[in-house]
Amino acid sequence: ETGVTQTPRHLVMGMTNKKSLKCEQHLGHNAMYWYKQSAKKPLELMFVYSLEERVENNSVPSRFSPECPNSSHLFLHLHTLQPEDSALYLCASSQNQGQTLHFGNGTRLTVT
Amino acid sequence: GNSVTQMEGPVTLSEEAFLTINCTYTATGYPSLFWYVQYPGEGLQLLLKATKADDKGSNKGFEATYRKETTSFHLEKGSVQVSDSAVYFCALIDGGPDTGFQKLVFGTGTRLLVSP
Repeated sequence: ETGVTQTPRHLVMGMTNKKSLKCEQHLGHNAMYWYKQSAKKPLELMFVYSLEERVENNSVPSRFSPECPNSSHLFLHLHTLQPEDSALYLCASSQNQGQTLHFGNGTRLTVT
Repeated sequence: GNSVTQMEGPVTLSEEAFLTINCTYTATGYPSLFWYVQYPGEGLQLLLKATKADDKGSNKGFEATYRKETTSFHLEKGSVQVSDSAVYFCALIDGGPDTGFQKLVFGTGTRLLVSP
């Protein structure tokens, strides 16, 4: 039990589909993050929310759309993805910005 | 901004061998430094950290010392086990009051393979 739960664990979607990734943290943290982990690349920070406000968006394509309805939940809405978007998507949370991150186990996304 | 550089893997060792995974950093000031570990099929988890120069972080037999003279934070373990096989990430904090936001910046990761 990591305290950060991601669903689904695996997702296969076509390029025209719309799907959402869900993340929930039970740690009482104030900041939540989406990371993309691709083979042979550094971990890429995609989005950051602090106190439910987006504070960073690292030039992520608009086909990825985050949503943070409250401090415990974070979503990543996906539409018209490309095969190169196939990766492990990791959610993380921290008490405040720049502090120790607690990660979920990730969603393995395959775009066909 | 601040950054870290890790040695490329994989690092392949026999059980009970000594482990070193190199990490060097480039930073303004002395940010906190971290090692995270990712076991197969899981997310990253904090292994150890050091918050200021000369600090030593330790956990589960792993150690790393924050050395400002060499701008390094190398991970070491005296005797590795098969269960230590994983990917290890060095990280540091980037940003601060001037940028309005702090975040962790990760290295590329080093895969460790330990055989019986």
